[in-house]
Amino acid sequence: QVQLKESGPGLVQPSQTLSLTCTVSGFSLTSYNVHWVRQPTGKGLEWMGIIWTGGNTDYNSALKSRLSISRDTSKSQVFLKMNSLQTEDIATYYCVRDLTNWAQGVMVTVSS
Amino acid sequence: DVVMTQTPVSLSVAIGQPASISCKSSQSLVHSDGKTYLNWLLQRPGQSPKRLIYLVSKLDSGIPDRFSGSGSETDFTLKISRVEADDLGVYYCLQGTHFPYTFGAGTKLELK
Repeated sequence: QVQLKESGPGLVQPSQTLSLTCTVSGFSLTSYNVHWVRQPTGKGLEWMGIIWTGGNTDYNSALKSRLSISRDTSKSQVFLKMNSLQTEDIATYYCVRDLTNWAQGVMVTVSS
Repeated sequence: DVVMTQTPVSLSVAIGQPASISCKSSQSLVHSDGKTYLNWLLQRPGQSPKRLIYLVSKLDSGIPDRFSGSGSETDFTLKISRVEADDLGVYYCLQGTHFPYTFGAGTKLELK
């Protein structure tokens, strides 16, 4: 059964770095791509980036200078790191397998 | 970035009646590989999004054939032949042809 679950701090201080982990099961990261998508509360969806089966990455140009996606295939984990967080980054963050299987999402707040 | 324009913003439909949502892209979504990476997703209240349709018209597994997708180049449509109560939520189109992938702003389907 395909499962994905995000974990990480729900609260980040302004200007600090967000670190999220997506732990997957039921499939291999070398066989399926994983995306990160975020959604401010009550608003629409924003595609953040992708890590391909080969380990290459592509990012939303609007976030590229702050965003990094990586993985540990042995642990079936995908990582998102985004620095210089501001209030505009308050959102629910989703990891997604091939745009088909979406995790439940993790809400991130930016506040001191 | 490719702008995805969805209309209408909201839609009120009675059970058993048809519904139609339009999505127009600011440039052609035909990829260099010849495929058109246009997806439709539904986000039910309080849930993660779920993909319904990919490659313009292909239904994801388990999606009832009341749903259909059509279109080409820059003009796409999602149709529901007979709306059911389970169909309420926000529908998004998503293009995966050009980086960054971009979503439409969403169409909220309400039951009349």
